[in-house]
Amino acid sequence: AQSVTQLDSHVSVSEGTPVLLRCNYSSSYSPSLFWYVQHPNKGLQLLLKYTSAATLVKGINGFEAEFKKSETSFHLTKPSAHMSDAAEYFCVVSEAIYNQGGKLIFGQGTELSVKP
Amino acid sequence: SAVISQKPSRDICQRGTSLTIQCQVDSQVTMMFWYRQQPGQSLTLIATANQGSEATYESGFVIDKFPISRPNLTFSTLTVSNMSPEDSSIYLCSVVQPRAASPLWRARDEQYFGPGTRLTVT
Repeated sequence: AQSVTQLDSHVSVSEGTPVLLRCNYSSSYSPSLFWYVQHPNKGLQLLLKYTSAATLVKGINGFEAEFKKSETSFHLTKPSAHMSDAAEYFCVVSEAIYNQGGKLIFGQGTELSVKP
Repeated sequence: SAVISQKPSRDICQRGTSLTIQCQVDSQVTMMFWYRQQPGQSLTLIATANQGSEATYESGFVIDKFPISRPNLTFSTLTVSNMSPEDSSIYLCSVVQPRAASPLWRARDEQYFGPGTRLTVT
């Protein structure tokens, strides 16, 4: 069975400093991995996804993530945090279900706070 | 990406009653899912809404408690029955439009989420 672990429940950074949100996954085969963001009282938005193409994936709003098979990691980074980045971030692995779509398995989430 | 709306956006209900949540998509989609997000928690898949057949429920969720309808390719409903305070959560629908024929490759397709329905049971 596939699973995903977000190593930090809360991360706090200052505006303009780098962001690192850590995620480790467990998968029996080549996984599909996603990062979603949830702003307060808003729905989930897809930031980026990895599907066995380039290991460095670029997403929206300056975020990117690197797939490292040897470390089973898919950490999310951004060079410079903005106040609007404050939100809950979910690392997600997709499990293929025969004749259906992918079943999404969510990590527990990391709350990102950005200080002025 | 598909545009997804949910009704109601929020509701406060009394225990023992039922609430039906609607999910509407602006285009035909093959797959629709229902998730629950309990306060301060992550998302958990409740079921896959199958068009023309019964929904497929995940472990811990049963049809009597969460009946689901999927009458066509753009619409689905989730009912939360005989509610208790433990059912207070955000309920989200999601859709995926597979681009690949192979079921294995479908795991690569991103899901798009509705805005959610915030339910409080008193």
